[in-house]
Amino acid sequence: DARVTQTPRHKVTEMGQEVTMRCQPILGHNTVFWYRQTMMQGLELLAYFRNRAPLDDSGMPKDRFSAEMPDATLATLKIQPSEPRDSAVYFCASGLSRSNYGYTFGSGTRLTVV
Amino acid sequence: RKEVEQDPGPFNVPEGATVAFNCTYSNSASQSFFWYRQDCRKEPKLLMSVYSSGNEDGRFTAQLNRASQYISLLIRDSKLSDSATYLCVVTGTDSWGKLQFGAGTQVVVTP
Repeated sequence: DARVTQTPRHKVTEMGQEVTMRCQPILGHNTVFWYRQTMMQGLELLAYFRNRAPLDDSGMPKDRFSAEMPDATLATLKIQPSEPRDSAVYFCASGLSRSNYGYTFGSGTRLTVV
Repeated sequence: RKEVEQDPGPFNVPEGATVAFNCTYSNSASQSFFWYRQDCRKEPKLLMSVYSSGNEDGRFTAQLNRASQYISLLIRDSKLSDSATYLCVVTGTDSWGKLQFGAGTQVVVTP
């Protein structure tokens, strides 16, 4: 089965450090989402891309978060500087826009900022 | 008002019983609808798409009511493995299919 690959699976870092999370979408998918999930907030949309172009990053704290797709096989989410409140699971999902087949999620990056 | 709303539950269901729950959405122009399943500490996984005429996949039946703006999921003959959080997902009206997630309905199937 084709899958969305996210790295790292787990990350523990100290407050103030830079964190980079990576996502390899399924080959051929033209839409990529970044979501954050916490117990309190559920799934929050941070950013999404279509054909590598950023369409909406209004859910992302602009002062510290950035999302990019340097090529069709890689999406990145960076936090600099990281804060304890950024601790969450970060999911990447990919799919074809306007598809009835839904979107496929990666296994997530579990981030802990201490 | 949230764009997608769900009863958080939990719905405690005896094994073998039927359980059903709904999800309401606020944007009448929403295009596509899905049910996802999420197990504890795992990623959401697509359970089924929801079509206008309603659709069934084994023990799972999904319905869409556009007039009242809700979708439903019914699980027949519940199994212990059906215990999970069920997420309602609606795509927005933008051209790119932005996903809107509900907060999820927890289902606990008991022996």
